[in-house]
Amino acid sequence: DAMVIQNPRYQVTQFGKPVTLSCSQTLNHNVMYWYQQKSSQAPKLLFHYYDKDFNNEADTPDNFQSRRPNTSFCFLDIRSPGLGDAAMYLCATTKWDIGVAGYTFGSGTRLTVV
Amino acid sequence: DAKTTQPTSMDCAEGRAANLPCNHSTISGNEYVYWYRQIHSQGPQYIIHGLKNNETNEMASLIITEDRKSSTLILPHATLRDTAVYYCILATRNTPLVFGKGTRLSVIA
Repeated sequence: DAMVIQNPRYQVTQFGKPVTLSCSQTLNHNVMYWYQQKSSQAPKLLFHYYDKDFNNEADTPDNFQSRRPNTSFCFLDIRSPGLGDAAMYLCATTKWDIGVAGYTFGSGTRLTVV
Repeated sequence: DAKTTQPTSMDCAEGRAANLPCNHSTISGNEYVYWYRQIHSQGPQYIIHGLKNNETNEMASLIITEDRKSSTLILPHATLRDTAVYYCILATRNTPLVFGKGTRLSVIA
């Protein structure tokens, strides 16, 4: 089945040690998003790619970067994780060019910073 | 910022219809109303969306008022598996989804 896959499901990293989260999709969607969701809060948009065009939200910290080497893959890099970056990170995809469409979310990666 | 207002929480008896309201008094003409839900520890799941007409699919019905300033998501026969946080979101064709606080629906046996 076509889907959005996030790896790993759980990630533990040390304070200040760079970490990369990955997202892949088999839907051929041209837009990919990264959301951060802290405990008991709503998902917060960090940035998105429309094809190869990167769009950063104004309040996304510089500590967060993203790469999209091809249509299928998108990575979230946290350069120096702090304790406050512990959260669930959600990847989502959609396709804009053919009209309004539902977003497909992955199951998320839960990041723990120790 | 989220442009919708939803109750923080609601309860519904199993087997009964769950009616989740959403206010969006500042909705623009080209904004769609989306509904998503998030079951604990999972990614959000698309339910339904609409522009101005009522919509129905296998999961739910969406009722949008004529002035488009509010809407209601209806789960016709709620089950325990429908317990989740339900998000009402406004978005245009090519803008990202911005989540508000949502409504925590508890379906009670």
